[in-house]
Amino acid sequence: DTGVSQNPRHKITKRGQNVTFRCDPISEHNRLYWYRQTLGQGPEFLTYFQNEAQLEKSRLLSDRFSAERPKGSFSTLEIQRTEQGDSAMYLCASSLALGGLGSYNEQFFGPGTRLTVL
Amino acid sequence: GENVEQHPSTLSVQEGDSAVIKCTYSDSASNYFPWYKQELGKRPQLIIDIRSNVGEKKDQRIAVTLNKTAKHFSLHITETQPEDSAVYFCAANDYKLSFGAGTTVTVRA
Repeated sequence: DTGVSQNPRHKITKRGQNVTFRCDPISEHNRLYWYRQTLGQGPEFLTYFQNEAQLEKSRLLSDRFSAERPKGSFSTLEIQRTEQGDSAMYLCASSLALGGLGSYNEQFFGPGTRLTVL
Repeated sequence: GENVEQHPSTLSVQEGDSAVIKCTYSDSASNYFPWYKQELGKRPQLIIDIRSNVGEKKDQRIAVTLNKTAKHFSLHITETQPEDSAVYFCAANDYKLSFGAGTTVTVRA
């Protein structure tokens, strides 16, 4: 499968625990995005990387959230001290951006990690 | 930031009829407008997109129109089929996607 992959697909955790998700983008894609989707809503932007540099973080991304893309390939999203409000589908997307910061690009989504915080 | 509104939230059509979903956006800097289809429990899949220098784009039974002056764009599905039943999201982008809330389309056989 040459598409975007995410692991795990499902995660159930207790409130206060830390969780980490992984995203493997399409191999030649230089941009990687994280989104969060709750039931009945569209995905909401969290953060994105161009290569290994994290270029923007949404105000939705509290200081309990951290994301990395250490070698410009896969990315991890960690949530510390999880809360019930963190329960959602976490989607990763990747794209190949050929232009500058303002260039548009087709984003391809992974299957998501569904997080349930009890 | 960008704010995208999408209407209607639900749409039920008879098989063979057309379906139209409309979106408005707020940021005049947005220059790329994709549409995604999401089936239950699956990832959003890009079905068509349009860039700001084009007014209309068509791909078989799907077409999208863009009015940059009025800041709105629409998705048109003709000759609907049961497999078109899904949630459809519009989005506006300069370098990140801002999504509408989605339209649940049900095609009645």
